[in-house]
Amino acid sequence: AQTVTQSQPEMSVQEAETVTLSCTYDTSESDYYLFWYKQPPSRQMILVIRQEAYKQQNATENRFSVNFQKAAKSFSLKISDSQLGDAAMYFCAYRSDGIQGAQKLVFGQGTRLTINP
Amino acid sequence: NAGVMQNPRHLVRRRGQEARLRCSPMKGHSHVYWYRQLPEEGLKFMVYLQKENIIDESGMPKERFSAEFPKEGPSILRIQQVVRGDSAAYFCASSPWGKTEAFFGQGTRLTVV
Repeated sequence: AQTVTQSQPEMSVQEAETVTLSCTYDTSESDYYLFWYKQPPSRQMILVIRQEAYKQQNATENRFSVNFQKAAKSFSLKISDSQLGDAAMYFCAYRSDGIQGAQKLVFGQGTRLTINP
Repeated sequence: NAGVMQNPRHLVRRRGQEARLRCSPMKGHSHVYWYRQLPEEGLKFMVYLQKENIIDESGMPKERFSAEFPKEGPSILRIQQVVRGDSAAYFCASSPWGKTEAFFGQGTRLTVV
């Protein structure tokens, strides 16, 4: 079974600075997807960024980018120019590509990010 | 296009009562997923349904929990004879066929007193 590990329960960063959240995963599959979700106090799960395992290029979405190291099974999230609105729980998630149409996600335990003004 | 709608947002039940959680997927989405989030933990997969079919229920507790997604109407997660350990946030997600992302509802927070 796949597992996802986030080793940083909490992180903090000064506003406008850069922060990196770590995620490692374990799988024997070669095709899969990786995601970062943001969960603010409202509890809504918001997709931040997605990476397909077959793509070597790291995904980027505005101030959010990932460092995907397939051999090391590592998938870190970098947030540049941190803003107060980035404060939230961040979850790393894995999705197998095995079952067509299926979106069964395996989540890490989360990292609580605090932004200091 | 409205997002995934879950209701109620908050539900309080006494031990031994039944809890019914509803999820209306986004329009055109035929796949529904239920997840449970215990306090200070990540979401854990419970069940994956398509219309009138349970595809994967590997994360569902063997007893007291059931889920359905009828041809008409919302998906229902039903918990019978609730216990304190069932207190959690329950999230529903939906997706169309063949797409990469699932879209989440805002969750139902169940409190068992």
